[in-house]
Amino acid sequence: DGGITQSPKYLFRKEGQNVTLSCEQNLNHDAMYWYRQDPGQGLRLIYYSQIVNDFQKGDIAEGYSVSREKKESFPLTVTSAQKNPTAFYLCASQGGHTIYFGEGSWLTVV
Amino acid sequence: GQNIDQPTEMTATEGAIVQINCTYQTSGFNGLFWYQQHAGEAPTFLSYNVLDGLEEKGRFSSFLSRSKGYSYLLLKELQMKDSASYLCAISGGSYIPTFGRGTSLIVHP
Repeated sequence: DGGITQSPKYLFRKEGQNVTLSCEQNLNHDAMYWYRQDPGQGLRLIYYSQIVNDFQKGDIAEGYSVSREKKESFPLTVTSAQKNPTAFYLCASQGGHTIYFGEGSWLTVV
Repeated sequence: GQNIDQPTEMTATEGAIVQINCTYQTSGFNGLFWYQQHAGEAPTFLSYNVLDGLEEKGRFSSFLSRSKGYSYLLLKELQMKDSASYLCAISGGSYIPTFGRGTSLIVHP
């Protein structure tokens, strides 16, 4: 089945650690996005990529990094510079007018 | 830049009709999305409006007025499973989707 796969579903990070969230899509979409969602809040854009080997900062990129070496993959690294990383992270891709979301990843700092 | 406003929370009774409003300001406009999101889950697509007017899809309808920067999502014959957050999003000049904070809808018996 076509779709977007995020992993892991749940992740715990210790202070000072970098962690990477995986996002893979087999929809052949050029555009991919990473959003962060805090409890009771909307989605805030972290990074986006409109074509392979190119990506741009969104509204809250500080403390995060991404890569887009393959069309189907857009991993997000939460670095130790991100002081408040506990949140729900959503990866998405866009085909035509429709945005497709992965199942999301819950990141908690311990 | 872009700004999107939605009510934070609404309550309604099972079987009733509810209208969720969304107002926006944007320098470029390509379309407006509505998404439904149940707690702890990913958003699911409901509608996409490009032109002014009402688009109906089963129990859900979405309206757009570009000149007023206004949209609403209309939910008819409310069911308990409609309790969720409803997200309004704008596709601006760069086609990058920008989401509002969402409206939490509580449906009670």
